[in-house]
Amino acid sequence: EIVLTQSPGTLSLSPGERATLSCRASQSVSSSYLAWYQQKPGQAPRLLIYGPSIRATGIPDRFSASGSGTDFTLTISRLEPEDFAVYYCQQYGSSPAFGQGTRLEIK
Amino acid sequence: QLQLQESGPGLVKPSETLSLTCTVSGGSISSSSYYWGWIRQSPGKGLEWIGSMYYSGSTYYNPSLKSRVTISVDRSKNQLSLRLSSVTAADTAVYYCARDPYYGMGEGDYWGQGILVTVSS
Repeated sequence: EIVLTQSPGTLSLSPGERATLSCRASQSVSSSYLAWYQQKPGQAPRLLIYGPSIRATGIPDRFSASGSGTDFTLTISRLEPEDFAVYYCQQYGSSPAFGQGTRLEIK
Repeated sequence: QLQLQESGPGLVKPSETLSLTCTVSGGSISSSSYYWGWIRQSPGKGLEWIGSMYYSGSTYYNPSLKSRVTISVDRSKNQLSLRLSSVTAADTAVYYCARDPYYGMGEGDYWGQGILVTVSS
């Protein structure tokens, strides 16, 4: 079973700043099967990026992802007010799992 | 506009079978190249992909739940169904159905609003 650990648990930043969110896997994960999601209160998760750097339809290019092996990163280049939410990484290979989430809050 | 709506009992007793239905409107559940699936979210376990069905009828399940899960489709009613047997309190969660356009593991481009299912006697 692959466990995904996200850090930090909470990230406090201001609009316009750069956000860097981390996802670490307990064993090596194919980057082709790593995805990132955004979730706002009362809503279903929304796919941002998958496989490993393909933005889903309608996702602005301020969102990007990188990484390989066990360490992966989601970067939001300039935070907009609507970006403050919870972010999850997901491994969707043979042992699918989500991370526990990083809450991005307004500072 | 495609819409998905989950329905089913909000309370299930331990050891019984949880049964949910997702009714699809505004489009066909038989549309080619899409997966239709279920994902759940609980305070204790977070997000968890349950399983999905490809438009062709092939099913894919989370290995951790595979022994207890059945996903099926009623094409005449445009409905997706989920059955989860031998439930425990750990199965208490909000259950979502979704249309998955890429890999069938919760990436949904359309979602239901979610239904809270509580497992309790």
